[in-house]
Amino acid sequence: GENVEQHPSTLSVQEGDSAVIKCTYSDSASNYFPWYKQELGKGPQLIIDIRSNVGEKKDQRIAVTLNKTAKHFSLHITETQPEDSAVYFCAASTGNAGNMLTFGGGTRLMVKP
Amino acid sequence: NAGVTQTPKFQVLKTGQSMTLQCAQDMNHEYMSWYRQDPGMGLRLIHYSVGAGITDQGEVPNGYNVSRSTTEDFPLRLLSAAPSQTSVYFCASSYSYGGYGYTFGSGTRLTVV
Repeated sequence: GENVEQHPSTLSVQEGDSAVIKCTYSDSASNYFPWYKQELGKGPQLIIDIRSNVGEKKDQRIAVTLNKTAKHFSLHITETQPEDSAVYFCAASTGNAGNMLTFGGGTRLMVKP
Repeated sequence: NAGVTQTPKFQVLKTGQSMTLQCAQDMNHEYMSWYRQDPGMGLRLIHYSVGAGITDQGEVPNGYNVSRSTTEDFPLRLLSAAPSQTSVYFCASSYSYGGYGYTFGSGTRLTVV
């Protein structure tokens, strides 16, 4: 089955700096790659996603890039703010019925004011 | 709009006890799933359902049962709790298969002693 690896497991940045989180996946049939943000005591919340027919997608300070050949995708957060501090998860799916999301291990992002 | 509601938020069980984790959604989503979250391991799929009366196993189904008698509810049953089931459990619903558009509940933190 699908295996998703996520790095780094923890990331500390200064407010205003950029943060990059990387994920690799194993199943070449995967074609949907969402990113989730989990704040303390809450469930994960979808922040951005990308499908395999797109190489990059941007939403304000957040962007995701996808390299299908290398089977990796990345989350980029620019101009980080303290409220960006959270655990971020990447995930992958083939999009078929019955194949739900496979998640990476998570990255704890800390933005220091 | 409540979204996905999970109860209880916290629970302590003794080894061998049984209990049911409740999950309800009010978005008329066909697709529902249960994940467990353990440190450094991301979220792992326990069971999922693609509609009322239809359920299937995920990555880590042993020790858990599910049923889906209505579109709204998807309870998770622990038949005989074990310390290895100490975890945070998340229910999610989606308007589509393949993991698109997941909405997560706020989680149930379960401790088995």
